[in-house]
Amino acid sequence: DAGVTQSPTHLIKTRGQQVTLRCSPKSGHDTVSWYQQALGQGPQFIFQYYEEEERQRGNFPDRFSGHQFPNYSSELNVNALLLGDSALYLCASSRNRDTATNEKLFFGSGTQLSVL
Amino acid sequence: AQRVTQPEKLLSVFKGAPVELKCNYSYSGSPELFWYVQYSRQRLQLLLRHISRESIKGFTADLNKGETSFHLKKPFAQEEDSAMYYCALSGQWGSQGNLIFGKGTKLSVKP
Repeated sequence: DAGVTQSPTHLIKTRGQQVTLRCSPKSGHDTVSWYQQALGQGPQFIFQYYEEEERQRGNFPDRFSGHQFPNYSSELNVNALLLGDSALYLCASSRNRDTATNEKLFFGSGTQLSVL
Repeated sequence: AQRVTQPEKLLSVFKGAPVELKCNYSYSGSPELFWYVQYSRQRLQLLLRHISRESIKGFTADLNKGETSFHLKKPFAQEEDSAMYYCALSGQWGSQGNLIFGKGTKLSVKP
């Protein structure tokens, strides 16, 4: 099991462009969460997808959108890129439980996005 | 406002010395607290969670609701403990999907 895989590993875009980041969850996981980690900061929650729907959302503008596919993989889309969107984007997967006692979040290695 | 504060950006100790990584939180409710660790060239991974009340790699953390703290401790630091440590909280009990992270503390253990 390769764990959580993200692509691409690095990406360079210019202001105003659009970008799509991809994530494949760990085998057996059905829930995907996305985080943005700016330099020198901790990860910041963007949103979470379960059953192909956005279940929770953090304090991010509508320029940030996502999608989850039937195979549980997910995409993060960012429109109208700003310089401030430059960051490491982390995907994390887990298995949904109604009464989670041992739920564990597994992180990918991230996609480093640079906006010029 | 929900917030996690890690006051130290960098903590440097010698091998065998005790180490304490500080974490304070602000949350109006009963949060679940976690410590995550990122070793060099590795992914962010869960170290421990307060509800498990376990010791992982010699580390322990006790939730102090009165002081709203969740400090990470180890009596004798090892060089392999050098890493970036993040404290995090979840307001949704049992779910780690929506975590609020602190800015992290870099622990450096010198030989």
